Amino acid sequence: GAGVSQSPSNKVTEKGKDVELRCDPISGHTALYWYRQSLGQGLEFLIYFQGNSAPDKSGLPSDRFSAERTGGSVSTLTIQRTQQEDSAVYLCASSSSGLAGTAGELFFGEGSRLTVL
Amino acid sequence: AQSVTQLGSHVSVSEGALVLLRCNYSSSVPPYLFWYVQYPNQGLQLLLKYTTGATLVKGINGFEAEFKKSETSFHLTKPSAHMSDAAEYFCAVSETGGTSYGKLTFGQGTILTVHP
Repeated sequence: GAGVSQSPSNKVTEKGKDVELRCDPISGHTALYWYRQSLGQGLEFLIYFQGNSAPDKSGLPSDRFSAERTGGSVSTLTIQRTQQEDSAVYLCASSSSGLAGTAGELFFGEGSRLTVL
Repeated sequence: AQSVTQLGSHVSVSEGALVLLRCNYSSSVPPYLFWYVQYPNQGLQLLLKYTTGATLVKGINGFEAEFKKSETSFHLTKPSAHMSDAAEYFCAVSETGGTSYGKLTFGQGTILTVHP
């Protein structure tokens, strides 16, 4: 597609349920990022994939969070046993290079808004 | 490690007035610096970026920013605000080496309100 696509755009779930959020990056982009945007918290880095390298998971807030990227393209962010504090907008971005400033900018999707009741 | 501080979570200006959004960063290696804008219910869009070379960079919609290494700052300015500039603005830093290579770290964001 022309841009980064995320689904679902909105997800309402009950506390304790698992959720999966999907990101389809721009074709050919080797780098993929997940960020979390909470009210008053800015953008929080979660995880970064670059090609076939081991992902940088340093931003994942707990072991309930995991992400994978299959075939170097689509990525899924999974949150297990959701808690109310997980409510946020989850943003995905892709780049043609792992280094954000070199071959170009990060292109962001419109986000998946997660509400945990 | 890298970090970004945006001074002022909310800035309010009158239409036609100068816009100044402040950003200071810390980085252990030469940084790349960015400003992104987010309009309501949309994703982030790049306004401008500094990588190397000229320290005054111009972006879209009349915005510009100046990299000042001595002040570790990258403030965003626009001479004359327009109603359509109302949005949330994020400053970000990417390190060119070290353990944070390639990772973009964002500030907390500044909401710009433009009054008629």
